[in-house]
Amino acid sequence: DSGVTQTPKHLITATGQRVTLRCSPRSGDLSVYWYQQSLDQGLQFLIQYYNGEERAKGNILERFSAQQFPDLHSELNLSSLELGDSALYFCASSVGTGINIQYFGAGTRLSVL
Amino acid sequence: QQPVQSPQAVILREGEDAVINCSSSKALYSVHWYRQKHGEAPVFLMILLKGGEQKGHDKISASFNEKKQQSSLYLTASQLSYSGTYFCGTETNNDMRFGAGTRLTVKP
Repeated sequence: DSGVTQTPKHLITATGQRVTLRCSPRSGDLSVYWYQQSLDQGLQFLIQYYNGEERAKGNILERFSAQQFPDLHSELNLSSLELGDSALYFCASSVGTGINIQYFGAGTRLSVL
Repeated sequence: QQPVQSPQAVILREGEDAVINCSSSKALYSVHWYRQKHGEAPVFLMILLKGGEQKGHDKISASFNEKKQQSSLYLTASQLSYSGTYFCGTETNNDMRFGAGTRLTVKP
């Protein structure tokens, strides 16, 4: 158990809908990262937050947004969903400074039908 | 910028050795190695900080050549449990990106 909690584990929805994925980081970690992994593909970095502020942005679509709350949990919002958005979405957390080992949650599997 | 990993895939027999390479065009602060089993989350293996140090984890070790911005992961006397996809992550200025992964299959 990495200590990073992601909910829900599975999500099935229809095209055009909006969903919210939630992540609770490990105790003491200030940084949260979001990744998208399509079937048998690599980890596509979406966005990173550190202590509530956006720190780095990757290949995140305009239809996607994220935020980190004062209690350090984070949410990834996906809107106007398309079939191609079906993927595993991972959240990872790290201390955010110094040696930044990332610990991954179990992921949310999103299926867009 | 995403680091480049090679090879893309490796098939081994139990007991054989393998090397996975990771290279970046940017000056690196650190290199991280992770292993992911199918359908599971990536799991941290080891981190190498700039300075050319080599680290080990059981029969898995890695090196980091800071001048060449390259890292290699060495798996010796491979076991069935080593099967999975290995990702390197390269960190610059608190920004880390992962390579596309190397799929390792160990057969009996």
